Amino acid sequence: QITLKESGPTLVKPTQTLTLTCTFSGFSLTSRGVSVGWIRQPPGKALESLGFLYWNDDVRYSRSLESRLTITKDTSKTQVVLTMTNMDPLDTATYFCAYTEEWFGDLDSTWGQGTQVIVSS
Amino acid sequence: DIQMTQSPSTLSASVGDRVTITCRASESISTWLAWYQQAPGKAPKLLIYKASTLKSGVPSRFSGSGSGTEFTLTISSLQPDDFATYYCQQYNSYFRTFGQGTKVEVK
Repeated sequence: QITLKESGPTLVKPTQTLTLTCTFSGFSLTSRGVSVGWIRQPPGKALESLGFLYWNDDVRYSRSLESRLTITKDTSKTQVVLTMTNMDPLDTATYFCAYTEEWFGDLDSTWGQGTQVIVSS
Repeated sequence: DIQMTQSPSTLSASVGDRVTITCRASESISTWLAWYQQAPGKAPKLLIYKASTLKSGVPSRFSGSGSGTEFTLTISSLQPDDFATYYCQQYNSYFRTFGQGTKVEVK
């Protein structure tokens, strides 16, 4: 069974750096075709992709946020970490991590429950 | 980044109705398209991948079609659990992007 859970602070001050951790089980991030992505959703708004870390260590970021984002993995601890610098109230959102396995177009995906982040002084 | 555009943004319907949601890509994505369903306060769940392949366990009233830049999600007979928001997602590029969502609400 594949599970993912996001953790991190609920409240962050403007200009601070946000660090979120996705702890997962049931798969290996070194298996071909596997990725873990970070997606956020501001209150009442749409899903927005932030970045994806692939099995081969390739990382792809949102072009509009790339300068503020870093996604890393800790294989031994089965965790993926999202770091976002210079937080702004507009970054207030629920942040999800999601497992995806893609194999010749076939896809499977499982998401964490999400963690709410509020940016306020 | 590949832009995904869904229509309509909101759809009002009744139980038993047939509903169709459209998703357009800013460039050709072949059939590398997935559909997700998101209930209020919950994480999205995968319904369909490769434009038309139903994930195991998803009711057969859901179907998807399309290729290239135009895709549709159809619910043949809307059920109470189907009132939710639906998102398309392209995975033709390594940076996967979502449409802005279509909320299916009670008429």
